Amino acid sequence: AQSVTQLGSHVSVSEGALVLLRCNYSSSVPPYLFWYVQYPNQGLQLLLKYTTGATLVKGINGFEAEFKKSETSFHLTKPSAHMSDAAEYFCAVRRSGAGSYQLTFGKGTKLSVIP
Amino acid sequence: DSGVTQTPKHLITATGQRVTLRCSPRSGDLSVYWYQQSLDQGLQFLIQYYNGEERAKGNILERFSAQQFPDLHSELNLSSLELGDSALYFCASSERQGRGGYGYTFGSGTRLTVV
Repeated sequence: AQSVTQLGSHVSVSEGALVLLRCNYSSSVPPYLFWYVQYPNQGLQLLLKYTTGATLVKGINGFEAEFKKSETSFHLTKPSAHMSDAAEYFCAVRRSGAGSYQLTFGKGTKLSVIP
Repeated sequence: DSGVTQTPKHLITATGQRVTLRCSPRSGDLSVYWYQQSLDQGLQFLIQYYNGEERAKGNILERFSAQQFPDLHSELNLSSLELGDSALYFCASSERQGRGGYGYTFGSGTRLTVV
């Protein structure tokens, strides 16, 4: 079974500061990893994903994440926070290969950006 | 607009009642997934359908059922509703059972309030 742990249910950063949202996963087979963002009263939007290949993945809105197998981590970063980044962020894992296509989500991290 | 349509957006109903939530997947997507989002449980996978057939079951209560129709839209039926069923219910769709590591495309959700 897969699981995801997001460290910190709430993170606050100043506008222009580095954003770092932490995600650790557990999977018995090579995982596919995802970050989603949820704005208030909206559905989840895919930010980026890692399947195979390059371990540094770039997504939308200036976000990127690095897959570190040795640390079982997939932390999300953005060099400079913008007010519009305030939202809830979810890390998710899925088994690679056939048979298990559902995503398992972390509990989410709410990002606040202070002007 | 993500291309995944969920109706209704809001639903208020009494305990003991039955409701039906509807989802139309993105054009060309054959898989539909249902998730429940609540404050205490986070995002919980309920059930997956692929081209009309049930493919995976998660933490779905026996009081809940779903189906996917020939036109690929899906309905989630919730019966004998309890206060604890109040949550956001999301539908997501993906191509071909999610092969290739595709992330899902989520709808904007149905907010169910049981009073």
